[in-house]
Amino acid sequence: AQKVTQAQTEISVVEKEDVTLDCVYETRDTTYYLFWYKQPPSGELVFLIRRNSFDEQNEISGRYSWNFQKSTSSFNFTITASQVVDSAVYFCALSEPYTGANSKLTFGKGITLSVRP
Amino acid sequence: ETGVTQTPRHLVMGMTNKKSLKCEQHLGHNAMYWYKQSAKKPLELMFVYNFKEQTENNSVPSRFSPECPNSSHLFLHLHTLQPEDSALYLCASSQGRLAGGIDRQYFGPGTRLTVL
Repeated sequence: AQKVTQAQTEISVVEKEDVTLDCVYETRDTTYYLFWYKQPPSGELVFLIRRNSFDEQNEISGRYSWNFQKSTSSFNFTITASQVVDSAVYFCALSEPYTGANSKLTFGKGITLSVRP
Repeated sequence: ETGVTQTPRHLVMGMTNKKSLKCEQHLGHNAMYWYKQSAKKPLELMFVYNFKEQTENNSVPSRFSPECPNSSHLFLHLHTLQPEDSALYLCASSQGRLAGGIDRQYFGPGTRLTVL
């Protein structure tokens, strides 16, 4: 069975601090995809990144960066120079191998990030 | 950017009421999903539809009844709910390609349901 663990439940930082959100996953599959989503107070989940299991290169997008380590089954997310608008709940998710036309995601419990001015 | 809308945004109902949640996607996708998000719990996948056919029912109680009349619309019919069913219900859609890759899911804003 697939499992995603986000051990941190709530993180509070002051604006401009760097913050890392941890994600550890479990799967028996060799092919899988990892995602990060952001859920602002408005409720909808906003897609941030998708990474397949064969691509271990780290990725940077503006102030966001992701560190994928297959050896430790981790896919951590770092926000550099955090801003108040980054306050949200962040979810890490893992997909099953592609079957039929579905994409089936297993989510972690989410991390509530609060960025104070 | 989402392209997925949900109505109503908030719903309060009694345990004997019957109500429906509606989801509509404007992205030309072929797969649609219902998720339940309860406090302090991970998002739980409830149902998946592909090309209007239900392909996943994640052991959801029968008091939740989905309906997908076409690839753009998804409903969740509710009847005789329990207070523990109070949650945020999220709809999502994806391209649902038949081969290769994992397509990302696009989420709606959710319906905040309170069962009294």
